[in-house]
Amino acid sequence: QSALTQPASVSGSPGQSITISCTGTSSDVGGYNYVSWYQQHPGKAPKLMIYDVSNRPSGVSNRFSGSKSGNTASLTISGLQAEDEADYYCSSYTSSSSLVFGGGTKLTVL
Amino acid sequence: QVQLQESGPGLVKPSETLSLTCAVSGYSISSGYYWGWIRQPPGKGLEWIGSIYHSGSTYYNPSLKSRVTISVDTSKNQFSLKLSSVTAADTAVYYCAEGYSSSWYWFDPWGQGTLVTVSS
Repeated sequence: QSALTQPASVSGSPGQSITISCTGTSSDVGGYNYVSWYQQHPGKAPKLMIYDVSNRPSGVSNRFSGSKSGNTASLTISGLQAEDEADYYCSSYTSSSSLVFGGGTKLTVL
Repeated sequence: QVQLQESGPGLVKPSETLSLTCAVSGYSISSGYYWGWIRQPPGKGLEWIGSIYHSGSTYYNPSLKSRVTISVDTSKNQFSLKLSSVTAADTAVYYCAEGYSSSWYWFDPWGQGTLVTVSS
């Protein structure tokens, strides 16, 4: 199974909104609403930010939102803050009854 | 609040078997939920290894399936990972995690991770 495709890096200024894309195929992202997003700060374990395409776990800021169209899922962060600077990974269930992650996107807050 | 802690050798020789354990506190594994293993090679992205239900049902990454065994020990409230015939490509930080919202499709919380290096 091939990794989902994410941009290597995105950047934005404080207060702005950014969107990170996650492109797969009809065998993963496009075929199921089982997409999740993780935030990982350097040297730390990942943290679940979005699950089930657009649901936020309790305690996650409503500045984080998720969506999906066709084979591409997206994570949007609004009102960008310095603490949002981190790596972000998407994940999807696949037709092989397995999970696949994206390659990761480094978010820089300018 | 559930907490997870990985443990095991930090150095494994090529061709040998990597063995890690994840101790769970704050929740009884026998009560339910899914549990998983995910790894991250240094400087690279995440790779799902596999997941297990408290009853023992397992799901494995097809690319690793022939070498992976995940098991659960409810008496010790822990679950384990065994990866056989390791090579340098298996060098990574290994994380254990809880399946979130009664699912094995996503994970939270995660353990702090443990670095395993494969080298002679």
